[in-house]
Amino acid sequence: EPEVTQTPSHQVTQMGQEVILRCVPISNHLYFYWYRQILGQKVEFLVSFYNNEISEKSEIFDDQFSVERPDGSNFTLKIRSTKLEDSAMYFCASSGLAVNTGELFFGEGSRLTVL
Amino acid sequence: AQSVTQLGSHVSVSEGALVLLRCNYSSSVPPYLFWYVQYPNQGLQLLLKYTTGATLVKGINGFEAEFKKSETSFHLTKPSAHMSDAAEYFCAVFAGDSSYKLIFGSGTRLLVRP
Repeated sequence: EPEVTQTPSHQVTQMGQEVILRCVPISNHLYFYWYRQILGQKVEFLVSFYNNEISEKSEIFDDQFSVERPDGSNFTLKIRSTKLEDSAMYFCASSGLAVNTGELFFGEGSRLTVL
Repeated sequence: AQSVTQLGSHVSVSEGALVLLRCNYSSSVPPYLFWYVQYPNQGLQLLLKYTTGATLVKGINGFEAEFKKSETSFHLTKPSAHMSDAAEYFCAVFAGDSSYKLIFGSGTRLLVRP
């Protein structure tokens, strides 16, 4: 069964360092997402990506964040200068073939710990 | 704007008892509704979804949910809880229309007592 894969599963970094989280969405899916979940809290939308551009972003997704689909298979989330409050589980998701029905397929997540 | 409210951050049931997890939504367009489950240290797995058609939808692991437009609800039920059902459950609404994202509720942690 096709699945969304994410790397790394866990990353520890120092405050102020750049972090890149990687995702391989399900092949032929057209919509891509990043969500985050701070420990014990709800799952929050960060950004959606369609047709090689950001289609929507939340207020969390400030200038420190960026996304890229560099090669047609990977989908990356970059945090330019990490802060303590960026510590969270980051989930990548993909959806949609011809029509986005809202059924998102999530990866296992990348846990980011900022020290 | 679309939103989801899950009543009860924690629900505790005995093994074999009925599970009822509550979800109410707000949506300006006909909603697509979802329940996802998250086991400890794992990702989000789709339990079931409502898009159109039959308002009672069945999912994996014996769960089902009923879409009630008049009550703006999409409660999740299972007739008999199993220890393996212990997890966090998230209700979500698909914003649709001009916004193609899922909006999640705050989650309900289900505890199953032996």
